[in-house]
Amino acid sequence: QKEVEQNSGPLSVPEGAIASLNCTYSDRGSQSFFWYRQYSGKSPELIMFIYSNGDKEDGRFTAQLNKASQYVSLLIRDSQPSDSATYLCAVALTDSWGKLQFGAGTQVVVTP
Amino acid sequence: DTEVTQTPKHLVMGMTNKKSLKCEQHMGHRAMYWYKQKAKKPPELMFVYSYEKLSINESVPSRFSPECPNSSLLNLHLHALQPEDSALYLCASSQGRINTQYFGPGTRLTVL
Repeated sequence: QKEVEQNSGPLSVPEGAIASLNCTYSDRGSQSFFWYRQYSGKSPELIMFIYSNGDKEDGRFTAQLNKASQYVSLLIRDSQPSDSATYLCAVALTDSWGKLQFGAGTQVVVTP
Repeated sequence: DTEVTQTPKHLVMGMTNKKSLKCEQHMGHRAMYWYKQKAKKPPELMFVYSYEKLSINESVPSRFSPECPNSSLLNLHLHALQPEDSALYLCASSQGRINTQYFGPGTRLTVL
């Protein structure tokens, strides 16, 4: 069973601080990694995707990938109350057409 | 434009009813997905369609019947559901098998 692990949280972050979310995965051949944000009662919204080792920045968000360690992370800089949501890490599995393996999600709470 | 639309937004049905959920995308994506999501859990894949053909059925009970009439439309036909089938049903689409999946807003289904 291919697994994706995330800390469930809640991760409490003061407004303006950096939120750091971590994700590990077991499918060593995986090449595509995604972070989705999901507000309560809403559908997942794509935040970032990353395919190559290293960092990828988009606005206040930075995704980091280390395939050797099977580790992907998401940093949220200058956290805002509107960032309070559940963040889902998803990994495209190599042996199953189109299947994303999701982590359980990390709940982030940004406190004013 | 990365819009996937779903109708209806909410659906309440009895265990003997037959209803359908609809999903539409106009991004030219060739893969479409149905997911089921229970509260505080990640999305759970149900079906994958690739080029209008069913590629993956994750051992979903036959009371759920998917249909892909054309490359832009995806339906999920529901019959004789159980109360435990109450959940948020999400449709997603992607360009190809390892490309980013974009989610629709979901249909909140309640089975009485």
